[in-house]
Amino acid sequence: GEEVAQTPKHLVRGEGQKAKLYCAPIKGHSYVFWYQQVLKNEFKFLISFQNENVFDETGMPKERFSAKCLPNSPCSLEIQATKLEDSAVYFCASSTHKNQPQHFGDGTRLSIL
Amino acid sequence: AQSVTQPDIHITVSEGASLELRCNYSYGATPYLFWYVQSPGQGLQLLLKYFSGDTLVQGIKGFEAEFKRSQSSFNLRKPSVHWSDAAEYFCAVGAQGSQGNLIFGKGTKLSVKP
Repeated sequence: GEEVAQTPKHLVRGEGQKAKLYCAPIKGHSYVFWYQQVLKNEFKFLISFQNENVFDETGMPKERFSAKCLPNSPCSLEIQATKLEDSAVYFCASSTHKNQPQHFGDGTRLSIL
Repeated sequence: AQSVTQPDIHITVSEGASLELRCNYSYGATPYLFWYVQSPGQGLQLLLKYFSGDTLVQGIKGFEAEFKRSQSSFNLRKPSVHWSDAAEYFCAVGAQGSQGNLIFGKGTKLSVKP
Protein backbone atom coordinates (compact mmCIF):
# COMPACT_ATOMS: atom_id res chain seq x y z
CA GLY A 1 0.00 0.00 0.00
CA GLU A 2 0.88 3.66 -0.11
CA GLU A 3 0.79 4.12 3.64
CA VAL A 4 2.24 2.36 6.63
CA ALA A 5 -0.69 0.54 8.21
CA GLN A 6 -0.61 -0.21 11.93
CA THR A 7 -3.14 -2.30 13.79
CA PRO A 8 -4.80 -2.14 16.16
CA LYS A 9 -5.16 1.58 16.75
CA HIS A 10 -5.65 1.07 20.47
CA LEU A 11 -4.86 -2.00 22.57
CA VAL A 12 -5.75 -2.45 26.22
CA ARG A 13 -4.17 -5.20 28.29
CA GLY A 14 -4.03 -6.10 31.93
CA GLU A 15 -0.63 -6.17 33.54
CA GLY A 16 1.04 -9.49 32.85
CA GLN A 17 -0.87 -10.17 29.65
CA LYS A 18 0.65 -10.41 26.19
CA ALA A 19 0.35 -7.64 23.61
CA LYS A 20 0.92 -7.98 19.88
CA LEU A 21 1.09 -5.08 17.47
CA TYR A 22 1.17 -5.22 13.68
CA CYS A 23 2.68 -3.11 10.94
CA ALA A 24 2.35 -3.34 7.17
CA PRO A 25 5.09 -1.23 5.54
CA ILE A 26 4.70 0.65 2.30
CA LYS A 27 5.00 -1.70 -0.64
CA GLY A 28 8.54 -1.67 -1.98
CA HIS A 29 10.07 -0.42 1.26
CA SER A 30 12.65 -2.87 2.53
CA TYR A 31 13.40 -1.24 5.89
CA VAL A 32 11.05 -1.25 8.87
CA PHE A 33 11.68 0.63 12.12
CA TRP A 34 9.82 0.42 15.44
CA TYR A 35 9.77 3.32 17.90
CA GLN A 36 8.16 3.74 21.29
CA GLN A 37 6.73 7.15 22.20
CA VAL A 38 6.24 7.57 25.91
CA LEU A 39 4.98 10.47 28.01
CA LYS A 40 6.61 13.82 27.35
CA ASN A 41 6.97 12.89 23.71
CA GLU A 42 10.17 10.93 24.03
CA PHE A 43 10.76 8.67 21.07
CA LYS A 44 12.82 5.59 21.72
CA PHE A 45 14.14 3.44 18.88
CA LEU A 46 13.45 -0.24 19.44
CA ILE A 47 14.41 -2.33 16.43
CA SER A 48 14.78 -2.25 12.66
CA PHE A 49 14.51 -4.82 9.89
CA GLN A 50 15.89 -5.12 6.41
CA ASN A 51 13.26 -7.25 4.74
CA GLU A 52 12.82 -10.18 7.13
CA ASN A 53 16.22 -9.82 8.76
CA VAL A 54 16.87 -7.98 11.99
CA PHE A 55 19.04 -5.00 11.08
CA ASP A 56 19.53 -3.21 14.37
CA GLU A 57 18.11 -4.35 17.70
CA THR A 58 20.15 -2.18 20.00
CA GLY A 59 17.06 -0.48 21.39
CA MET A 60 15.08 -3.59 22.20
CA PRO A 61 14.63 -4.52 25.83
CA LYS A 62 16.33 -7.86 26.27
CA GLU A 63 13.42 -9.41 28.06
CA ARG A 64 9.75 -9.59 27.10
CA PHE A 65 10.01 -7.77 23.73
CA SER A 66 10.31 -9.56 20.41
CA ALA A 67 9.65 -8.64 16.80
CA LYS A 68 9.41 -10.29 13.42
CA CYS A 69 9.04 -9.38 9.77
CA LEU A 70 8.09 -12.49 7.79
CA PRO A 71 7.60 -12.64 4.03
CA ASN A 72 4.07 -11.86 2.86
CA SER A 73 2.91 -10.98 6.38
CA PRO A 74 2.70 -7.78 8.41
CA CYS A 75 5.61 -7.16 10.74
CA SER A 76 4.82 -7.67 14.40
CA LEU A 77 6.02 -6.47 17.77
CA GLU A 78 5.13 -8.64 20.73
CA ILE A 79 5.43 -7.86 24.41
CA GLN A 80 5.18 -10.72 26.87
CA ALA A 81 4.11 -10.21 30.46
CA THR A 82 3.33 -6.54 29.98
CA LYS A 83 4.12 -3.99 32.66
CA LEU A 84 2.55 -0.63 33.43
CA GLU A 85 5.66 1.08 32.04
CA ASP A 86 5.01 -0.45 28.61
CA SER A 87 2.08 1.92 28.18
CA ALA A 88 3.02 4.07 25.21
CA VAL A 89 2.31 4.70 21.57
CA TYR A 90 4.27 2.36 19.34
CA PHE A 91 5.11 3.65 15.89
CA CYS A 92 6.24 1.74 12.89
CA ALA A 93 8.05 3.41 10.00
CA SER A 94 9.31 2.16 6.67
CA SER A 95 11.83 3.40 4.13
CA THR A 96 13.42 2.35 0.87
CA HIS A 97 16.89 2.51 2.39
CA LYS A 98 18.18 2.82 5.94
CA ASN A 99 19.20 6.45 5.42
CA GLN A 100 16.19 7.55 3.40
CA PRO A 101 13.21 9.36 4.95
CA GLN A 102 11.07 7.17 7.12
CA HIS A 103 7.34 7.12 6.59
CA PHE A 104 5.36 6.60 9.77
CA GLY A 105 2.11 4.85 10.54
CA ASP A 106 -0.50 6.32 12.85
CA GLY A 107 0.75 4.26 15.76
CA THR A 108 -0.78 1.80 18.21
CA ARG A 109 -1.66 3.17 21.62
CA LEU A 110 -0.97 0.44 24.18
CA SER A 111 -2.60 0.89 27.56
CA ILE A 112 -1.59 -1.45 30.37
CA LEU A 113 -4.03 -1.48 33.28
CA ALA B 1 26.34 11.43 23.02
CA GLN B 2 23.97 12.00 20.15
CA SER B 3 21.09 14.29 20.99
CA VAL B 4 18.53 16.66 19.58
CA THR B 5 17.29 19.65 21.52
CA GLN B 6 14.12 21.56 20.86
CA PRO B 7 14.32 24.36 23.41
CA ASP B 8 10.71 25.49 23.13
CA ILE B 9 8.13 23.14 24.59
CA HIS B 10 5.14 25.26 23.57
CA ILE B 11 4.82 28.22 21.23
CA THR B 12 1.72 30.28 20.50
CA VAL B 13 1.53 32.51 17.44
CA SER B 14 -1.25 34.48 15.83
CA GLU B 15 -2.66 33.33 12.54
CA GLY B 16 -0.80 35.04 9.75
CA ALA B 17 2.29 35.68 11.84
CA SER B 18 5.66 34.19 11.04
CA LEU B 19 7.02 31.15 12.83
CA GLU B 20 10.42 29.79 13.74
CA LEU B 21 10.90 26.55 15.64
CA ARG B 22 14.35 25.86 16.94
CA CYS B 23 16.33 22.65 16.72
CA ASN B 24 19.91 22.00 17.83
CA TYR B 25 21.70 18.71 17.44
CA SER B 26 24.80 17.02 18.72
CA TYR B 27 26.06 14.29 16.44
CA GLY B 28 29.55 13.01 15.78
CA ALA B 29 29.02 12.05 12.18
CA THR B 30 27.77 14.07 9.22
CA PRO B 31 24.10 14.47 10.00
CA TYR B 32 21.04 14.33 7.94
CA LEU B 33 18.05 16.12 9.40
CA PHE B 34 14.29 15.98 9.30
CA TRP B 35 11.29 17.86 10.54
CA TYR B 36 8.11 15.92 11.19
CA VAL B 37 4.65 17.13 12.23
CA GLN B 38 2.24 15.17 14.37
CA SER B 39 -1.42 16.02 14.71
CA PRO B 40 -3.35 14.56 17.68
CA GLY B 41 -3.89 10.83 17.30
CA GLN B 42 -1.92 10.76 14.09
CA GLY B 43 1.46 9.52 13.00
CA LEU B 44 4.39 11.63 11.96
CA GLN B 45 4.24 13.39 8.62
CA LEU B 46 7.51 14.37 6.99
CA LEU B 47 7.72 18.12 6.37
CA LEU B 48 11.22 18.33 4.93
CA LYS B 49 14.65 16.79 4.95
CA TYR B 50 18.26 17.82 4.59
CA PHE B 51 20.91 15.44 3.33
CA SER B 52 23.48 17.65 1.64
CA GLY B 53 23.83 20.55 -0.75
CA ASP B 54 21.81 23.73 -0.42
CA THR B 55 21.45 24.48 3.26
CA LEU B 56 18.02 26.06 2.81
CA VAL B 57 15.48 23.36 2.13
CA GLN B 58 11.88 23.74 1.13
CA GLY B 59 9.18 21.41 2.38
CA ILE B 60 5.49 20.85 2.19
CA LYS B 61 2.80 23.21 3.47
CA GLY B 62 5.01 26.27 2.94
CA PHE B 63 7.65 25.28 5.50
CA GLU B 64 11.37 25.72 5.07
CA ALA B 65 14.41 25.00 7.22
CA GLU B 66 17.99 26.13 7.23
CA PHE B 67 20.94 23.94 8.16
CA LYS B 68 23.70 25.86 9.92
CA ARG B 69 26.63 23.60 10.60
CA SER B 70 28.52 26.20 12.63
CA GLN B 71 25.59 26.48 15.03
CA SER B 72 24.54 22.82 14.87
CA SER B 73 21.05 24.04 14.12
CA PHE B 74 18.23 23.19 11.77
CA ASN B 75 15.45 25.67 12.48
CA LEU B 76 12.04 25.39 10.89
CA ARG B 77 10.32 28.48 9.52
CA LYS B 78 7.08 29.53 7.93
CA PRO B 79 6.33 33.11 6.85
CA SER B 80 2.59 33.02 7.58
CA VAL B 81 1.01 30.51 9.91
CA HIS B 82 -2.44 29.04 9.28
CA TRP B 83 -4.78 27.72 11.98
CA SER B 84 -4.35 24.23 10.52
CA ASP B 85 -0.65 24.33 11.38
CA ALA B 86 -1.44 23.81 15.06
CA ALA B 87 0.27 20.52 15.93
CA GLU B 88 3.37 19.02 17.52
CA TYR B 89 6.61 19.43 15.60
CA PHE B 90 9.56 17.09 15.92
CA CYS B 91 13.11 17.54 14.74
CA ALA B 92 15.05 14.33 14.07
CA VAL B 93 18.61 13.49 13.10
CA GLY B 94 20.31 10.52 11.56
CA ALA B 95 23.74 10.10 10.05
CA GLN B 96 25.47 8.81 7.00
CA GLY B 97 26.90 5.42 7.77
CA SER B 98 24.64 4.90 10.76
CA GLN B 99 22.18 2.07 11.12
CA GLY B 100 19.39 4.44 10.12
CA ASN B 101 17.46 4.86 13.35
CA LEU B 102 16.52 8.46 14.10
CA ILE B 103 17.18 10.49 17.21
CA PHE B 104 14.21 12.74 17.99
CA GLY B 105 13.84 15.95 19.91
CA LYS B 106 11.07 16.14 22.48
CA GLY B 107 8.89 18.23 20.24
CA THR B 108 7.44 21.73 20.18
CA LYS B 109 3.71 22.18 20.46
CA LEU B 110 2.42 24.94 18.23
CA SER B 111 -0.82 26.71 19.08
CA VAL B 112 -2.33 29.24 16.67
CA LYS B 113 -4.47 32.13 17.89
CA PRO B 114 -7.24 33.42 15.63
